[in-house]
Amino acid sequence: EDQVTQSPEALRLQEGESSSLNCSYTVSGLRGLFWYRQDPGKGPEFLFTLYSAGEEKEKERLKATLTKKESFLHITAPKPEDSATYLCAVRGNTGKLIFGQGTTLQVKP
Amino acid sequence: GAVVSQHPSWVICKSGTSVKIECRSLDFQATTMFWYRQFPKQSLMLMATSNEGSKATYEQGVEKDKFLINHASLTLSTLTVTSAHPEDSSFYICSARMGQGADTQYFGPGTRLTVL
Repeated sequence: EDQVTQSPEALRLQEGESSSLNCSYTVSGLRGLFWYRQDPGKGPEFLFTLYSAGEEKEKERLKATLTKKESFLHITAPKPEDSATYLCAVRGNTGKLIFGQGTTLQVKP
Repeated sequence: GAVVSQHPSWVICKSGTSVKIECRSLDFQATTMFWYRQFPKQSLMLMATSNEGSKATYEQGVEKDKFLINHASLTLSTLTVTSAHPEDSSFYICSARMGQGADTQYFGPGTRLTVL
């Protein structure tokens, strides 16, 4: 069964304090690992897609990396506007997107 | 690009009435659309998958007679919650994908349904 586990559940950082969010997964035939950002009361906003181990993608203060068992979302020098819930999802042979529970990030000024 | 819209953004209805939620892909043609449900502080749960012109495929435990899905065109899918009850109150989010395989899914802004 495809499964995604995210940690920590919640993370509080000071502005400028870099950290990483973890996404561990088991999937039959990885066809993509996806990171989304979700603000309260809104739909998920697409951030990155990673397809194979060793792949990395960057966007502003965010960098996503992928191994065969997990993905990390690194946040460098975060700002208060980076506060949100970050969702990780995988798509395997079923074709369905399986989501983790998310990590809620709060960045304090 | 890759914008998905939903309408309405929120709706309040009386128990026993039906509610229709529209999902549109604004700048691309979506071969496949998805409907999710999200309860407070929980992640997204897939309800059903629909391909244009075909019947929707529902996930286990989702009543297809209660949650009617129509995917009439490559840019429009609708979800109708029939005979809504308070337990149907939730945040409903649609998603659209351009092609098969590993293509990214883009999500709409969600619809907050409250059934009194």
